[in-house]
Amino acid sequence: DGGITQSPKYLFRKEGQNVTLSCEQNLNHDAMYWYRQDPGQGLRLIYYSQIVNDFQKGDIAEGYSVSREKKESFPLTVTSAQKNPTAFYLCASSMGQGASYNSPLHFGNGTRLTVT
Amino acid sequence: DAKTTQPPSMDCAEGRAANLPCNHSTISGNEYVYWYRQIHSQGPQYIIHGLKNNETNEMASLIITEDRKSSTLILPHATLRDTAVYYCIVRVNIRRIKAAGNKLTFGGGTRVLVKP
Repeated sequence: DGGITQSPKYLFRKEGQNVTLSCEQNLNHDAMYWYRQDPGQGLRLIYYSQIVNDFQKGDIAEGYSVSREKKESFPLTVTSAQKNPTAFYLCASSMGQGASYNSPLHFGNGTRLTVT
Repeated sequence: DAKTTQPPSMDCAEGRAANLPCNHSTISGNEYVYWYRQIHSQGPQYIIHGLKNNETNEMASLIITEDRKSSTLILPHATLRDTAVYYCIVRVNIRRIKAAGNKLTFGGGTRVLVKP
């Protein structure tokens, strides 16, 4: 089945360590996105990428980095510079600007990161 | 993107229709209305979207007022599995690759509890 895979589901790290969250999609989507969700809150956009080798900062990019070397993959690194990294991280993809500009986002089931 | 306003929570009886309101009084002519829902600890799920006309699919119906300043998502026969947070989002259709693109901004949503 086509979809978005985020791994792992739960991740624990010590403060001061960088950590990379995986996001893979087999939907052949051009665009991919990373959102952060804090308890009881909506989603906030961290980074997005509309094509390979191109990405843009979202609303809360500080302390995060991404790469988009392959269409299927959009890993997110939470760096030690991120002051409050503990959160639920959601990856999404969409068909992007080509075939269907209003195509909806498809989300993975998230990675819950806890930093102590 | 236009801001949306939703009630923070609502209850619904199982088997009855659930009508979820959303105000988007600053919506512009090229902005679409999207609805997503998020079941606890999962990624958001796309429900439906529309521009001017009412839309229906296997999950729900979307009623958009003639002035487009508000909309209502209708779940025709709510089940216990429809308990979730429902997000109403408006998004502008921007085609240029370096523009804001396809990103969605999620607010707090409406927490819907379907009761037996």
